[in-house]
Amino acid sequence: DADVTQTPRNRITKTGKRIMLECSQTKGHDRMYWYRQDPGLGLRLIYYSFDVKDINKGEISDGYSVSRQAQAKFSLSLESAIPNQTALYFCATSGDYSNQPQHFGDGTRLSIL
Amino acid sequence: GENVEQHPSTLSVQEGDSAVIKCTYSDSASNYFPWYKQELGKRPQLIIDIRSNVGEKKDQRIAVTLNKTAKHFSLHITETQPEDSAVYFCAAKRMNYGGSQGNLIFGKGTKLSVKP
Repeated sequence: DADVTQTPRNRITKTGKRIMLECSQTKGHDRMYWYRQDPGLGLRLIYYSFDVKDINKGEISDGYSVSRQAQAKFSLSLESAIPNQTALYFCATSGDYSNQPQHFGDGTRLSIL
Repeated sequence: GENVEQHPSTLSVQEGDSAVIKCTYSDSASNYFPWYKQELGKRPQLIIDIRSNVGEKKDQRIAVTLNKTAKHFSLHITETQPEDSAVYFCAAKRMNYGGSQGNLIFGKGTKLSVKP
């Protein structure tokens, strides 16, 4: 089945470390997104990309960067991790038309000590 | 920008009862309203969505209603079952076909517990 795959699923690291979360998809979608989920705060958009050459900041982009290596791959980086970036991170994809729903990956649980 | 408020944050019902979750939005240009269900430890999954050209949509035990004048929409689950227990998120988005569009803005979620 076409899907959205995130790696790693879990990561524990220390303050100041550089971390990369990866997302790949086999849905053939051009649009990809990174969200952060915190208890009681819902899903907040970090970055999004509508194609390989298009990268846009979301609601909470400070402290994060992204790279769209190919249509199927969209990675999120924390250049110097801090404890308040501890959260559950989701990658999502959607089709080209704005009325198409978003499909989420299984998430990466990131803990920064 | 768009702001989506979701209530209640937690909801507990007896199996077989109905559950209602309400969301309000601020941007009158928003015209697409999906609902996602997230079971414990799993990914959010779309369960139903509605566009602003209709007032109600049903899919078996789930229905969504939209009041554009009041800028609120609601999820209704009838004959609840234990497997309905999950966190539910509403969202809103402005869709412009062929032009600019907004991103999905999510509510903070409602944790629904269905007691056997």
